[in-house]
Amino acid sequence: AQSVSQHNHHVILSEAASLELGCNYSYGGTVNLFWYVQYPGQHLQLLLKYFSGDPLVKGIKGFEAEFIKSKFSFNLRKPSVQWSDTAEYFCAVKDPRGNTPLVFGKGTRLSVIA
Amino acid sequence: NAGVTQTPKFQVLKTGQSMTLQCAQDMNHNSMYWYRQDPGMGLRLIYYSASEGTTDKGEVPNGYNVSRLNKREFSLRLESAAPSQTSVYFCASSARTSGSYTFGSGTRLTVV
Repeated sequence: AQSVSQHNHHVILSEAASLELGCNYSYGGTVNLFWYVQYPGQHLQLLLKYFSGDPLVKGIKGFEAEFIKSKFSFNLRKPSVQWSDTAEYFCAVKDPRGNTPLVFGKGTRLSVIA
Repeated sequence: NAGVTQTPKFQVLKTGQSMTLQCAQDMNHNSMYWYRQDPGMGLRLIYYSASEGTTDKGEVPNGYNVSRLNKREFSLRLESAAPSQTSVYFCASSARTSGSYTFGSGTRLTVV
């Protein structure tokens, strides 16, 4: 069975600091990878996704993620965070064969302070 | 606006009461899902429906039932609510085989 580990439960950064959130998955085959974001009081929204091709994926709002197959990782990055990036971030993995549901990590809460 | 609509947004139940959470999508998606979100636990899948007419258990199905009423609607029923079911419930939908989910705004349920 697939599983997703997000190493950081809560990250606190100052505005303009760089961000990297870790995500590792346990599945040996081909995977589709996702990052979702949940702003305070809102529902989850898709931030970016990786299916194949260039392992560096760019998403909305300046976020990017790098798929490193040898490390089973899909870390989320942003060069300079803003206060409005305060949210909870969820990594998710999916087996592209068939219609299996997404498996989510437990999430990382990001607090950006002025 | 196109998307996933959940009702109600808030609900308080007494232990042992029953209720149905409603979910409808207007994006012609084949697949629909019910997740619960608890602090520190992330999102856990309760049930899903890969296509109209099919439903399958997820990670935490105990105490819940679902009905895929038609392609648009997927309801979640709590037959006898328990305090452990206090949570925020999210419905989501996707095109078949896609991992790009559209989520509803959630139902915050408290069981006392």
